[in-house]
Amino acid sequence: QKEVEQNSGPLSVPEGAIASLNCTYSDRGSQSFFWYRQYSGKSPELIMFIYSNGDKEDGRFTAQLNKASQYVSLLIRDSQPSDSATYLCAANTGTASKLTFGTGTRLQVTL
Amino acid sequence: GAVVSQHPSRVICKSGTSVKIECRSLDFQATTMFWYRQFPKQSLMLMATSNEGSKATYEQGVEKDKFLINHASLTLSTLTVTSAHPEDSSFYICSAWVSGTYSYEQYFGPGTRLTVT
Repeated sequence: QKEVEQNSGPLSVPEGAIASLNCTYSDRGSQSFFWYRQYSGKSPELIMFIYSNGDKEDGRFTAQLNKASQYVSLLIRDSQPSDSATYLCAANTGTASKLTFGTGTRLQVTL
Repeated sequence: GAVVSQHPSRVICKSGTSVKIECRSLDFQATTMFWYRQFPKQSLMLMATSNEGSKATYEQGVEKDKFLINHASLTLSTLTVTSAHPEDSSFYICSAWVSGTYSYEQYFGPGTRLTVT
């Protein structure tokens, strides 16, 4: 079964620190990877996507992809209490195909 | 801004009745939309892929006769929960791919919270 796996957490980091969220995937045919943030009671919100090996930065967020290790990560710099949410990692194997989601990692940013 | 809308945002219905949820793509055409369900404190579960002009593709274990999907236009997909029961109470979310210059990104609607009494 093709899977995307995440540690459910909670991951607790102090305000201002770097939060590191990790995700592994089993399907080597996966081409695109997405990070979503989901606040309690709300729908997922797209934060970043990455297609190529290496790092991709957008503001305080950096996505990292290592296809050889089948590993994707999301770094959040200068974590804020408003970053407290569940972060979902997702992968797909083709353009506009369905996404396979991980179960999400709950992040808590403490004051 | 929001690229996918859903209506209604909340609905309460009585057991045995049917409920229709609409998902619209705003300012773009969506030949494919996806319907998810999420129970409290659980992960997203893909229910079906909605294809414009053809039958939806249901995930294993999802009853196609209970969850009717119609994708009659390039901007509208509907999910009808037929003969709803309390166990159908959940958060239903649709999504669609939006194509950019160099990428495809999947955006979610705001969700519909269904409560069956």
